[in-house]
Amino acid sequence: GQQVQQSPASLVLQEGENAELQCNFSSTATQLQWFYQSPGGSLVSLLSNPSGTKHTGRLTSTTVTKERRSSLHISSSQTTDSGTYLCAIVVSGGNYKPTFGKGTSLVVHP
Amino acid sequence: ETAVFQTPNYHVTQVGNEVSFNCKQTLGHDTMYWYKQDSKKLLKIMFSYNNKQLIVNETVPRRFSPQSSDKAHLNLRIKSVEPEDSAVYLCASSFRNSGNTLYFGEGSRLIVV
Repeated sequence: GQQVQQSPASLVLQEGENAELQCNFSSTATQLQWFYQSPGGSLVSLLSNPSGTKHTGRLTSTTVTKERRSSLHISSSQTTDSGTYLCAIVVSGGNYKPTFGKGTSLVVHP
Repeated sequence: ETAVFQTPNYHVTQVGNEVSFNCKQTLGHDTMYWYKQDSKKLLKIMFSYNNKQLIVNETVPRRFSPQSSDKAHLNLRIKSVEPEDSAVYLCASSFRNSGNTLYFGEGSRLIVV
């Protein structure tokens, strides 16, 4: 079955530092989405980026479809960025099974 | 702004009882999902419906049964809950033919004692 690997599993930063999160997947994805989940909170969609580069605020996602990888760059991290970042893919073929990675836990210290 | 609504958000029950979670989406999407998120935060898909039709039914115990009255509603019933059913159940929706961007509800936390 399709697999999604996220790295690092956890990341600790000082406020103001940049973060680079990685997502690698085993099958060709027609959709790739990055989510944020605060402790005890729901999933918030950050970016949908099946290919190329997209920006929103301090977030930049770059997906290289042929290499089956995506990255999420967080610039000038803030303490409120702390939480879990999840990557999800939908594989071509329309099997209606968006698959999630295990996430990267980010802690930003003041 | 929340557009996928789940109820209840929190439920405590005893082993053997029946539980139902409701989900409604107001986005006009044609596909809805139920995911289970365990204590390690791993999200696993349980069911998926497209226009009221069941299209994904992962290997879940038979005590779990989805119910869809129309494409805007997808409920989840659990007969005779077990301790391992304690988790957060997340409902999501999407358009199948528009990149499958997922939108999630706030989740329903189940605690089985």
